[in-house]
Parts: sequence; C-alpha cells; structure tokens
Amino acid sequence: GESVGLHLPTLSVQEGDNSIINCAYSNSASDYFIWYKQESGKGPQFIIDIRSNMDKRQGQRVTVLLNKTVKHLSLQIAATQPGDSAVYFCAEFLYNFNKFYFGSGTKLNVKP
Amino acid sequence: DTGVSQDPRHKITKRGQNVTFRCDPISEHNRLYWYRQTLGQGPEFLTYFQNEAQLEKSRLLSDRFSAERPKGSFSTLEIQRTEQGDSAMYLCASQGNTEAFFGQGTRLTVV
Repeated sequence: GESVGLHLPTLSVQEGDNSIINCAYSNSASDYFIWYKQESGKGPQFIIDIRSNMDKRQGQRVTVLLNKTVKHLSLQIAATQPGDSAVYFCAEFLYNFNKFYFGSGTKLNVKP
Repeated sequence: DTGVSQDPRHKITKRGQNVTFRCDPISEHNRLYWYRQTLGQGPEFLTYFQNEAQLEKSRLLSDRFSAERPKGSFSTLEIQRTEQGDSAMYLCASQGNTEAFFGQGTRLTVV
C-alpha cells in the first residue's frame, strides 16, 4: 500500500503558541485528506479535511495546507491549548482503493 | 460523540475464544470501514462495506476474521480462535460523501 508519514513524532509547544504538524504522503492520486486527533483510549476524532483540488482550508482555530507539488500536508493550530494535547494523524483517501491510509502519528504536548 | 457507536468498549478474552464486536454507523452513511490499531501506530485497514456489500478486505484479515453488515446498517466483526497478536483497538468508521467519522473503538486484550 501507499505510505503516509509524519516528519516529527513528538511536538512540544507552549500554551498559546501556534502549532504546525506536518505530513508527507506518497500517492499523487489521493483524492482527499483528513486530519484526525486521537486522545488516549479514544477513537480518532475528525478535525478537518481537504480535497485534492484545494490548497488551503480553514476551520475553527485550525488550518490545513496542501502542497501537491511536494506531496506535503500540514495542520496549523492557532493559540494551542492544553486540550489540544493528543496524537494527530493525517490520512489520505483514494476512491479507487476504498480506504484511508494513515501514518504513525505525531504526539502534540502543550505545556502550560 | 461522533454518532458512530461501538460495543463493547473493552473485551478481555482467553486465547482460543471467539469474540464479536458491533458497530452502529451514522444512519445515512452507506460506507463502513473496520480498522485495527496497535499502540503507537496509525490505524490499519481491515475491510470496507458499501451498504451491505463487503467490497474490500485487507490481507491482515485472516480466515479467522469475518465481518458482516446485514441490511446495510450495523456491522459485526468476529474473530475466531483469538491469538495474543489479535490484541489491539478495533475501530469502525462510517462515511457519507467525504467526511469519515470513527467510533470510540473496542479494545481487545487476549490473555
């Protein structure tokens, strides 16, 4: 299968700072991408998605950027809060394969 | 609450026993996925349903695993003759057009 990977396994930020979580993907045919947040013992929680024909999408305190030239995806979290501490996964979806491919995740630690 | 329910949340079983998990997806979603996740890893695809039809199966899904989605509503995942290597979090996701939502998972521990 195709691989989705994250550059940094652990990211520590100060409360109130902005966080940037990066993700590299390998399949240029991916149709869209989703960022998930996963807290310990819970299932992945949908944060935001972006279609492959878009470069940027904004949500509440979060922005996803897609750079198809270098196959790179990022999640920006503004004014990071302690409740943002979790593992973040990016997932790419291919309609032809009917599945999401996940990377191994980045753990975000927010220091008070 | 994502609207996707999984039952049970936790299951401890002895090696060799059979276990069955249930997933109730969001009612209007016709796509349903099962994933498996081990500690420190991202979820791995197991199988996919479009309505009641099982259209994709991973090679991870050995012949001890079977999944069903009768009537295209809830789904069950059964593991027969469980092994210690089956210990993991089993996740169900449902998808409408694009957004896919996961349940809270079933944590299986095989002792």
